[in-house]
Amino acid sequence: ILNVEQSPQSLHVQEGDSTNFTCSFPSSNFYALHWYRWETAKSPEALFVMTLNGDEKKKGRISATLNTKEGYSYLYIKGSQPEDSATYLCAFRRMEYGNKLVFGAGTILRVKS
Amino acid sequence: DTEVTQTPKHLVMGMTNKKSLKCEQHMGHRAMYWYKQKAKKPPELMFVYSYEKLSINESVPSRFSPECPNSSLLNLHLHALQPEDSALYLCASSQVGGGLANTGELFFGEGSRLTVL
Repeated sequence: ILNVEQSPQSLHVQEGDSTNFTCSFPSSNFYALHWYRWETAKSPEALFVMTLNGDEKKKGRISATLNTKEGYSYLYIKGSQPEDSATYLCAFRRMEYGNKLVFGAGTILRVKS
Repeated sequence: DTEVTQTPKHLVMGMTNKKSLKCEQHMGHRAMYWYKQKAKKPPELMFVYSYEKLSINESVPSRFSPECPNSSLLNLHLHALQPEDSALYLCASSQVGGGLANTGELFFGEGSRLTVL
């Protein structure tokens, strides 16, 4: 059974705070790790796709790191803004699973102004 | 604006009804997916089509019947559903193959919210 765990389940922060969440996944036969941002009543949108151990990706104030040997990825948001409020999903692809992406339940972020 | 369009956005049906969910994309993607998501749970993969052929069926009950009539369209036919099938149904598409240029990123629609009475 392939489980992807995300923590915390939800997070409430003040505008300007920096925050981070964790995604844990099985470390064997790793192929790729995806992060998606899902705003209410919209479609999930990809933030990052990471494939190499030690990968670091950045998009504006959001960045992510990847450790495939120990099976975790961190997503960081610097100086949170109300528009960052969304559910952040991570998803894991194993080498032998072809097109199958297994998702975590997500971290719900609410940023108060 | 999403490039994957799902209709209807909301659907209420009885357990004896037959209905369909539709998904359309014009990005030239040759892989299309159905995911099911219940509140506070991960999206769960149901089906994957690759080059219009069913490549993954995650042991989904036969009351859900997928169809991929062409490379742009994906349908999910619903018949004799149960109340526990009420959920958000997400369609997604992606590239297939393409080596390093293909990140495997999924492009999602906004989902169809299904309620079974």
